[in-house]
Amino acid sequence: DAGVIQSPRHEVTEMGQEVTLRCKPISGHNSLFWYRQTMMRGLELLIYFNNNVPIDDSGMPEDRFSAKMPNASFSTLKIQPSEPRDSAVYFCASSSGLAGAYEQYFGPGTRLTVT
Amino acid sequence: RKEVEQDPGPFNVPEGATVAFNCTYSNSASQSFFWYRQDCRKEPKLLMSVYSSGNEDGRFTAQLNRASQYISLLIRDSKLSDSATYLCVVKSSGTYKYIFGTGTRLKVLA
Repeated sequence: DAGVIQSPRHEVTEMGQEVTLRCKPISGHNSLFWYRQTMMRGLELLIYFNNNVPIDDSGMPEDRFSAKMPNASFSTLKIQPSEPRDSAVYFCASSSGLAGAYEQYFGPGTRLTVT
Repeated sequence: RKEVEQDPGPFNVPEGATVAFNCTYSNSASQSFFWYRQDCRKEPKLLMSVYSSGNEDGRFTAQLNRASQYISLLIRDSKLSDSATYLCVVKSSGTYKYIFGTGTRLKVLA
């Protein structure tokens, strides 16, 4: 079975540019999570979708960050404009069950560097 | 106080040793518990769920102590390939939020 798929795997961009990260969850999973991981702050939840609906985006750092899930098999996380402090690894994870009751499965991550 | 706390380590142990990690959680309503493993520059991967009665998977044993609000992971006969960061994860019933600890780093030495 295919796991969670993320693209791109690496992204290097200049400050001020728009960045779009993509995620395809595991088929049949109804919950999708976007996380950011840095050495200083560890793994932070940015936003959670359940059945394609954003349930909690309180972890989104600023209005520069936005996320969408137009269907059950695709989600995007967009940063516009990007800043150097956005440099991190961004993970997408999916889960099944009521309110994502079961374990999460992570994608390989997108390593973002903003110069 | 953090919701989930782990000793960051590193724990440096020789091959073949037994090593144990603890993780404490603050929310007594927590219902689901997991251990994840994360290799350097990789994604977290589920190692095992933690059940109330404790559970074992090969060389790995997980235990839950609700009274003291901690979970533990025991690794027997450590292998070089066990070197990684081990993340404790806690989730409350009826919520979607998985609370991740900052991880405990293990180095198994030849």
